[in-house]
Parts: sequence; C-alpha cells; structure tokens
Amino acid sequence: DVKVTQSSRYLVKRTGEKVFLECVQDMDHENMFWYRQDPGLGLRLIYFSYDVKMKEKGDIPEGYSVSREKKERFSLILESASTNQTSMYLCASSLIGSSGANVLTFGAGSRLTVL
Amino acid sequence: SQKIEQNSEALNIQEGKTATLTCNYTNYSPAYLQWYRQDPGRGPVFLLLIRENEKEKRKERLKVTFDTTLKQSLFHITASQPADSATYLCALGGNNRLAFGKGNQVVVIP
Repeated sequence: DVKVTQSSRYLVKRTGEKVFLECVQDMDHENMFWYRQDPGLGLRLIYFSYDVKMKEKGDIPEGYSVSREKKERFSLILESASTNQTSMYLCASSLIGSSGANVLTFGAGSRLTVL
Repeated sequence: SQKIEQNSEALNIQEGKTATLTCNYTNYSPAYLQWYRQDPGRGPVFLLLIRENEKEKRKERLKVTFDTTLKQSLFHITASQPADSATYLCALGGNNRLAFGKGNQVVVIP
C-alpha cells in the first residue's frame, strides 16, 4: 500500500513564526499536492508538484511556498504564520494511471493552530 | 465561476436502505470524476473513479453515475451499514489536478 506520511499531526505556532510541514511518500509517485481543509470551505489546493524541483500554484498559494528537492518529499512552508492559516493541512500523492486519471492517496493530515 | 456543489445537510438514513448523494458542478468540463470517503480527523480515501464517457460504475455496494449533460454525479451506497457513516467528497479531475466539493456527511442509523 502507498503510504503518505506527514511529519506532525498537531502543531501550535505563534504569529510570525516560520512553519515547515513535511510530507513523504514511499511509492515513487510523480505528483504531490498540498491542500488545506476548513469547515464550510472544503479542500482547497495550495500547491502541487509533478516532478522534482517543479511546482505549480494551486487556488490559494498566497502566504505559502513549497519545496521538492527529492521525489519522495514535498514540504509546505509558511514564511510568517498568521492566525488565518490555522487549518488542517493535507498532503497527497498520485501516479497518473493508464486511464490518465489522478487518483490521490492522502496523508493523515497536520492540524496547525497559529496563536 | 467554477463551482462544485454537494448538499451541506447531513443525510440520516436507516441501516439497510440506499443512501444517495448528489454532486453538481458548473463551469467545469472534467475529464473524470472521483468519490472519496473521509472519516473524522483523517485524510480522504479514494473510492471510485468514473470518466466522462462512462455512465455508471460499480464497486461492491457502491454505484456512481455521471451525466455530463446535467453536470451531475450521483453516488449510491446500497444496503447501508453503520460503518458507512462518514463524509463523502466528490472531486473533478483534469489538467493534472483535482478540485473537491465540500463533502456530504452520511449517518447510518442502526
């Protein structure tokens, strides 16, 4: 089974701190994604990457950056955390199958609280 | 603007009945549509995929239909069980990304 592991399940940070959320997948997937999930807003795509050192903005990239130095690892960075970035962050990976479809495998999520 | 709509009200259903969820979308032309299950405090788990040229897909007690004219997908859980209680999300795919609906909670009452 594909495993997507997010390094921290719960984090509490202060406004202005730099925050790193790490995600590792073990099945050699090309694509990796970061979403955030908020009540009433659903899952929203922050950034995604389809190859090492490649990144694409999603729907809400402001206030975030990402890093993909190795195929298996995709990091989400909050340069200066703000209270409106309190959320559940979900990492996912996928392999484009023969059908051409992106089927995502998600990690368990990282719940970030910014005080 | 692009929208993916799922019912925000929870669906309460008696055990053994069929639960039916709806996913409507506007201003999308998805190449495929997927359904995921999410349990509280966990990441979504993939259930089914249906492509734009397919009308219906089944997997065990699950059935999905996809009507690109109506811009709608229906998701059915037949012979529902308490273990089916969860939030179900639809997702539209294309251009190497997925866009998700907000999800619809199902509560199966024993």
